[in-house]
Amino acid sequence: KAGVTQTPRYLIKTRGQQVTLSCSPISGHRSVSWYQQTPGQGLQFLFEYFSETQRNKGNFPGRFSGRQFSNSRSEMNVSTLELGDSALYLCASSFQGAGNEQFFGPGTRLTVL
Amino acid sequence: GIQVEQSPPDLILQEGANSTLRCNFSDSVNNLQWFHQNPWGQLINLFYIPSGTKQNGRLSATTVATERYSLLYISSSQTTDSGVYFCAVGGEETSGSRLTFGEGTQLTVNP
Repeated sequence: KAGVTQTPRYLIKTRGQQVTLSCSPISGHRSVSWYQQTPGQGLQFLFEYFSETQRNKGNFPGRFSGRQFSNSRSEMNVSTLELGDSALYLCASSFQGAGNEQFFGPGTRLTVL
Repeated sequence: GIQVEQSPPDLILQEGANSTLRCNFSDSVNNLQWFHQNPWGQLINLFYIPSGTKQNGRLSATTVATERYSLLYISSSQTTDSGVYFCAVGGEETSGSRLTFGEGTQLTVNP
């Protein structure tokens, strides 16, 4: 069974631009969560989607948004990029979410110049 | 929200040594996972262990949910064990699959 895939793997943007990251979960998994990892803040939860609905949201500004499609693939969007958005963005999939084992993708490394 | 503390923050070992990493959490959990982050950033699943004991080769883990801690044991360490180990928990009070991560233990195994 294929693992979680994320595209692109690396991205360089400039301040003020917007970016869209994509995540394809493990086949059969319906929950997709997004995390941001930075040296200063560690790994922080952004949001979770389940059956095309946002089920849980972390403490991030509205510039961070996401969506999930009917095939469970998910995208996250960051608008008006700031230098502080430079981070590794990780996506995780699980069968239903709460209490289930989660599996992470390889991540997208975003650099904002 | 739930708090997660890992110790020690850094650990340096000689190849062949054994080690124990600890994870304390502040509330009841419905999920606890141990991960190893590889040099490229991917989180590799080691254990899914909200309670009980599991073993996988040289690694084993124990979670005592009633006392709110989990331990990861690495025996006969190898240089390839180097990296950051994370404990992550899902609180029973949170909906969905939100994981709260500890700050990690940076393990260095020297030859």
